Amino acid sequence: EDKVVQSPLSLVVHEGDTVTLNCSYEVTNFRSLLWYKQEKKAPTFLFMLTSSGIEKKSGRLSSILDKKELFSILNITATQTGDSAIYLCAVDTGGSEKLVFGKGTKLTVNP
Amino acid sequence: DTAVSQTPKYLVTQMGNDKSIKCEQNLGHDTMYWYKQDSKKFLKIMFSYNNKELIINETVPNRFSPKSPDKAHLNLHINSLELGDSAVYFCASSQQGKDEAFFGQGTRLTVV
Repeated sequence: EDKVVQSPLSLVVHEGDTVTLNCSYEVTNFRSLLWYKQEKKAPTFLFMLTSSGIEKKSGRLSSILDKKELFSILNITATQTGDSAIYLCAVDTGGSEKLVFGKGTKLTVNP
Repeated sequence: DTAVSQTPKYLVTQMGNDKSIKCEQNLGHDTMYWYKQDSKKFLKIMFSYNNKELIINETVPNRFSPKSPDKAHLNLHINSLELGDSAVYFCASSQQGKDEAFFGQGTRLTVV
C-alpha cells in the first residue's frame, strides 16, 4: 500500500528559527512530490518536485527531493508567525494524477 | 483500514451526463470537504459540511450538489457534466476545532 509519512507531527518554534520538515514515501509508482501549506480553507500549493537533488526555492521556503532515499525536506528560514500552519506532503503516484497525502506537520511559530 | 475513501477512483463519462462521487470517513470526524485540484496542482475548496450542515459553499456552478446523508459521508453529485469539469476531486475530513485534515486519494474525473 502506498504511504507518505511526515515528521515531526508537530513543531513549536520561536520567530527567527529555521525549521526542517520531513517527508518520506513508499509508493509503487512515483511521478512527483508536492508540498502544501494548509491554513483555514484549502491547502496552498508550495512546490512540486520531480527531479532528485534539485532545490526549489521561494523566498524563505525551499525544498529538495532525494529519489534514491525516498524523501523530501521542506526548509523554512527566519520563521514568522504567519508561517504557522499545517504543512502537507503528497506524492503523485502516476498517470491518474491522484495524490497520497501524509498526515501533515503542524508548525507553530511563537513571537 | 482507509481513513477517508472515495469511490470511484476513476470516472470517464460523456458531456451532459450526471454522475456522483462518494466519500466516506471512518475517523469519527464531524467536518467533511470537497476540493477540486486544477491543472496547476492548486486545491480549491468547493464545499464544507459540519454535522451534515453546509458550512462553506464556494463559487461553484449549481450543477454541483453535495449531499451528506450522515456525518461519515459526503457525496458530490454533478449534473450536466462539462469538459471543464475534468479534474481530480479530493474529499477530506477533520474534527471541528482541529486544524488537521485527512485526505482521500482523489477521484480522477474525465469528461469526454
